Amino acid sequence: DQQVKQNSPSLSVQEGRISILNCDYTNSMFDYFLWYKKYPAEGPTFLISISSIKDKNEDGRFTVFLNKSAKHLSLHIVPSQPGDSAVYFCAASKGGGANNLFFGTGTRLTVIP
Amino acid sequence: KAGVTQTPRYLIKTRGQQVTLSCSPISGHRSVSWYQQTPGQGLQFLFEYFSETQRNKGNFPGRFSGRQFSNSRSEMNVSTLELGDSALYLCASSQLSTGGGYGYTFGSGTRLTVV
Repeated sequence: DQQVKQNSPSLSVQEGRISILNCDYTNSMFDYFLWYKKYPAEGPTFLISISSIKDKNEDGRFTVFLNKSAKHLSLHIVPSQPGDSAVYFCAASKGGGANNLFFGTGTRLTVIP
Repeated sequence: KAGVTQTPRYLIKTRGQQVTLSCSPISGHRSVSWYQQTPGQGLQFLFEYFSETQRNKGNFPGRFSGRQFSNSRSEMNVSTLELGDSALYLCASSQLSTGGGYGYTFGSGTRLTVV
């Protein structure tokens, strides 16, 4: 039972344009959401997070939006750069803790120069 | 400072065998978590250790086990390997006792292939 879903396995975007990666979740108990980025042959690295008390968090080119009523979050990357090409995982947590971290299946982003 | 080190990087085993994977966390990190990554399934939580005690376990069969040593290094063991165990096994360490995804540092993983 996949509680965190990333329905787009891949996304291609031109360099300089906006990349929008989407994530849906089913468990209303999730209260913390994270995005991880993964390059081939490396472990995932933390990118940005958002608490359920907020609807937006921004860090440089990366912005995460949370719509609790729709149980949906998205990651916006503006402007997209070729170095952003990677697999992006959405994750959700109930009160923090490794045991409560649920990951999506990932979206492979390709930024075309 | 050194990151999370997982050994070996690649492993090929045959069905029925057992395997042991190792993870050395970042110095000072006491929490170690293990995840399995397979295509189409994302990262699935296996278990978490903190101060040599397993605190939480995911929904995996008993063939999957682990332990943590006093220096926080952790091992996971898979017995009676099945073809479906082929995956990338990732270890993540955290300084905080409650973990929290934002506090994680992942290793590069061990790619296990069962033939």
